[in-house]
Amino acid sequence: RKEVEQDPGPFNVPEGATVAFNCTYSNSASQSFFWYRQDCRKEPKLLMSVYSSGNEDGRFTAQLNRASQYISLLIRDSKLSDSATYLCVAVLYGNNRLAFGKGNQVVVIP
Amino acid sequence: SAVISQKPSRDICQRGTSLTIQCQVDSQVTMMFWYRQQPGQSLTLIATANQGSEATYESGFVIDKFPISRPNLTFSTLTVSNMSPEDSSIYLCSVEEGHHTDTQYFGPGTRLTVL
Repeated sequence: RKEVEQDPGPFNVPEGATVAFNCTYSNSASQSFFWYRQDCRKEPKLLMSVYSSGNEDGRFTAQLNRASQYISLLIRDSKLSDSATYLCVAVLYGNNRLAFGKGNQVVVIP
Repeated sequence: SAVISQKPSRDICQRGTSLTIQCQVDSQVTMMFWYRQQPGQSLTLIATANQGSEATYESGFVIDKFPISRPNLTFSTLTVSNMSPEDSSIYLCSVEEGHHTDTQYFGPGTRLTVL
């Protein structure tokens, strides 16, 4: 089983709508998680960190469900500029290495 | 966050040759890493670049294929040796900084195509 799994999508979202997607992780001891945003042909950029039950930053909300071992990301009032791939990352317990998912591709449609 | 630059930004190379990628940071950082992102795949850690000592390689990566230098706290190089088309990928360096020591920031990447 992969350390971090994501449904690649694409998730086609009408502009102004809300989109949410999950990421599952296999290392039950992981304590820290991140969401990165990656635009086409660009490097990943840190969007949000998740150290407890969740985090909120403007239109973006991340939630952590330890019992079911998943992290979710919700984007409200989607903008065209939100079109990107969102990478879920788990910090592996024991060696602090980052395990990346393949990403959820979001396409916001006018 | 630190400003990270990489050179070259892209290159097209012949099989059997080697390419050295440079990563420069505008501030001193303790931890630097090298990743590979193959088309349609997630990021995979190649190694941790240790200042003043040999790099720490992840399973599946070896020093002969990916020699790494880290002469100081602001600079590192990754060499992709004896390249084959399977080495075509984006190579990214990252640094760890911030209040939480597990937060990493990435350089712009080097897009390598091997013919």
